[in-house]
Amino acid sequence: EAGVAQSPRYKIIEKRQSVAFWCNPISGHATLYWYQQILGQGPKLLIQFQNNGVVDDSQLPKDRFSAERLKGVDSTLKIQPAKLEDSAVYLCASSLSTNDWTAGELFFGEGSRLTVL
Amino acid sequence: AQTVTQSQPEMSVQEAETVTLSCTYDTSESDYYLFWYKQPPSRQMILVIRQEAYKQQNATENRFSVNFQKAAKSFSLKISDSQLGDAAMYFCAYRSHPSFNRDDKIIFGKGTRLHILP
Repeated sequence: EAGVAQSPRYKIIEKRQSVAFWCNPISGHATLYWYQQILGQGPKLLIQFQNNGVVDDSQLPKDRFSAERLKGVDSTLKIQPAKLEDSAVYLCASSLSTNDWTAGELFFGEGSRLTVL
Repeated sequence: AQTVTQSQPEMSVQEAETVTLSCTYDTSESDYYLFWYKQPPSRQMILVIRQEAYKQQNATENRFSVNFQKAAKSFSLKISDSQLGDAAMYFCAYRSHPSFNRDDKIIFGKGTRLHILP
């Protein structure tokens, strides 16, 4: 079974530039998450999708971050314009539907490491 | 709101010894999931072990076991016979059970960095 795919793995940009990250979840996983993980800290949820609808984006800085999952499968997270404090690893994860009794575990991608200079 | 606290930022253990990582959480829900995730350096996060709150029996996966104390809201991870490959960040996480999906969030602790000494 293929895992969660993310790209690019690494990205270096200057502040005020834009960047986009892509995620393809495990086939059949209805729920998709984007997390921000700053060095030395735990993951912080940015946005959660159930199919193509947003479940939670309360911690997404909407003035500069946006995310979409138009067809309920893969997703894109965009940052525009980037700030120095956006330097982090952006993790994508997926899980079975939150209405599934066997749900619970999240499967993570390898992450996209962003450095903002 | 639920919270997850890992009070040990770093720990070290001698190879082949046993180590216990601590995690406490706060919730008003009666049913939920608890997880320990492992994140090796520059590698993806993987699930180590899962506990469902309605199950009284502590989960075990090979050398990994948990001490789940629901009343105390404590969920510690014990690693027996520590190996060099166990060196990683370990995150404790909480998730609401789907049947209580009014506010389904997965909350992570800040992590414990585990060093294995040869």
